[in-house]
Amino acid sequence: QVQLQESGPGLVKPSETLSLSCSVSGGSFSGHHWSWIRQPPGKGLEWIGYIQYTGGTKYHPSLQSRVTISLDTSKSQFSLKLTSVTAADTAVYYCAMLIEGAGGRGYWGQGTLVTVSS
Amino acid sequence: DIQMTQSPSALSASVGDRVTITCRASQSIGYWLAWFQQKPGKAPKVVIYKASSLESGVPSTFSGSGYGAEFTLTISSLQPDDFATYYCQHYSYDSPWTFGQGTRVEMK
Repeated sequence: QVQLQESGPGLVKPSETLSLSCSVSGGSFSGHHWSWIRQPPGKGLEWIGYIQYTGGTKYHPSLQSRVTISLDTSKSQFSLKLTSVTAADTAVYYCAMLIEGAGGRGYWGQGTLVTVSS
Repeated sequence: DIQMTQSPSALSASVGDRVTITCRASQSIGYWLAWFQQKPGKAPKVVIYKASSLESGVPSTFSGSGYGAEFTLTISSLQPDDFATYYCQHYSYDSPWTFGQGTRVEMK
């Protein structure tokens, strides 16, 4: 059974960089889209982007200038970096493994709340 | 970018009711659409993938239909565990994988 677990600071200061990691157990890194999704408090889901095993990435255009997703298979984890954060980046951040070509099937982490505040 | 428009944004229903939620894409996405169920404080869970395939373990009261730009999620007989918020999301490789705005299914 594949399990994902997000980790990282729960509080980030405005203008700084938000950094989260997602630890993966029970799954292969090939053939999947390793994704990040976020949800501001009381609002809907927002797709941030993904990285493939090959290193290929795709990001939401509204975040593209500030976001980097990377993969470290040796540590069985992938990461999210979001620079120059503001209060609008306060959200629950989810990592997910989406099976390539499966149109939505996959596994999600439980989510972690990140608050941007001084 | 492809925009996903869900309707209604909320609905009230009773146990046993038939519930239908619609998701429209701003351009054709084939069958590259999934439906998620989310309960408060929990991660979303896929219920339908590739527009009409039922995820393993999801009750057969759930069904999805549609192709191209218009899709429907139907719950044929609403159960107490089904009260939640539902989101559609497209997986067309030509565009960011946007979600619909969500539909909250509340108890009448």
